[in-house]
Amino acid sequence: EAQVTQNPRYLITVTGKKLTVTCSQNMNHEYMSWYRQDPGLGLRQIYYSMNVEATDKGDVPEGYKVSRKEKRNFPLILESPSPNQTSLYFCASSLSWVAGAGDTQYFGPGTRLTVL
Amino acid sequence: GQQLNQSPQSMFIQEGEDVSMNCTSSSIFNTWLWYKQDPGEGPVLLIALYKAGELTSNGRLTAQFGITRKDSFLNISASIPSDVGIYFCAGQLSSNYQLIWGAGTKLIIKP
Repeated sequence: EAQVTQNPRYLITVTGKKLTVTCSQNMNHEYMSWYRQDPGLGLRQIYYSMNVEATDKGDVPEGYKVSRKEKRNFPLILESPSPNQTSLYFCASSLSWVAGAGDTQYFGPGTRLTVL
Repeated sequence: GQQLNQSPQSMFIQEGEDVSMNCTSSSIFNTWLWYKQDPGEGPVLLIALYKAGELTSNGRLTAQFGITRKDSFLNISASIPSDVGIYFCAGQLSSNYQLIWGAGTKLIIKP
């Protein structure tokens, strides 16, 4: 089954304790992206990757890091989480970075992060 | 950053009513996408639009790509309980292919 998986689904942590949210896709997609979703603000892109070893900042990259060492995995790293990073996080992937006909972004189920 | 204005923010409707929502921007887009998010899940694509003026249907859903390439609307006819959720528009900028998202329209159906 084609899917994007994220782990963990829920996480409560404390300020400053480094954490990683994993994302994996089994569709051989080139493009992967991380979003955060906050009430009233919709989806805001954190980082994206157009292919292996090619990552770039989205709209709200501060406080986050990513890596793309393999095509299928795109982990999101919070080196020193702060309470303002409490949010719902989504990983997404698509065949390419241009939303062409027949191509779409597939979203993971989300990770709800609370930073105390 | 770039913004999409999506309205309304929320809608309370009766089952069976038609629903209309839209997104506007000052920027020009080459693609418009409409997604639906159910509680506890990630967004799922409903309709994709690729040409100015294009009108596309998916069951009871109809969406249009505005002639000016700066707006799009989504209509849902004869709403049913499973239509509840948050609907997002997303536009891909023609200048740099960046995907910009609206803030969402929350659809609530009154019992």
